[in-house]
Amino acid sequence: SAVISQKPSRDICQRGTSLTIQCQVDSQVTMMFWYRQQPGQSLTLIATANQGSEATYESGFVIDKFPISRPNLTFSTLTVSNMSPEDSSIYLCSVESGITYEQYFGPGTRLTVT
Amino acid sequence: DAKTTQPPSMDCAEGRAANLPCNHSTISGNEYVYWYRQIHSQGPQYIIHGLKNNETNEMASLIITEDRKSSTLILPHATLRDTAVYYCIVRVANYGGSQGNLIFGKGTKLSVKP
Repeated sequence: SAVISQKPSRDICQRGTSLTIQCQVDSQVTMMFWYRQQPGQSLTLIATANQGSEATYESGFVIDKFPISRPNLTFSTLTVSNMSPEDSSIYLCSVESGITYEQYFGPGTRLTVT
Repeated sequence: DAKTTQPPSMDCAEGRAANLPCNHSTISGNEYVYWYRQIHSQGPQYIIHGLKNNETNEMASLIITEDRKSSTLILPHATLRDTAVYYCIVRVANYGGSQGNLIFGKGTKLSVKP
């Protein structure tokens, strides 16, 4: 299984600002995913990030609001731009095993926007 | 929308088997059944997956009905640390394409009690 770390683990931000979340994996992976979990809700996929190509965004999520970088096979960032209180959520990254296709998740970044 | 239906909550006595049901009556022939769990304030954890045969690993057993329209996750000897939200997900197991994405429903909140 892959070991995934995220930075920061939590942050409190003011509305109108942006926050970049980092996701680091201990092995090279092709596909990385970013999810959002709003308070009391289940996980929702934001986008899929493959190294060397543009991220693929799910319905309801746009690149201007959630720009993603994937500079190499072990690292990705998600930026939450022009934040509002509705962006207060846990943001999680995950990677997919190349053999059995299960996904492994990071610990999450708990974001509070005031 | 999630393709699975799960009871919103279940209780289980510590040391007893926890049997978590999942209905997936519209499952396609190339879709697998995956189970994940999310312990409070942590990222989801992969448990097990299967196509049509019953599967067992060190964490749990997965029983899939012959018609594949439902399945049961079995935790043979539940402990307090198994208290979590359990998600049953059906997906195509391959790289790329939205069919392979994990779509999380509301899951079953399992409470293991002493």
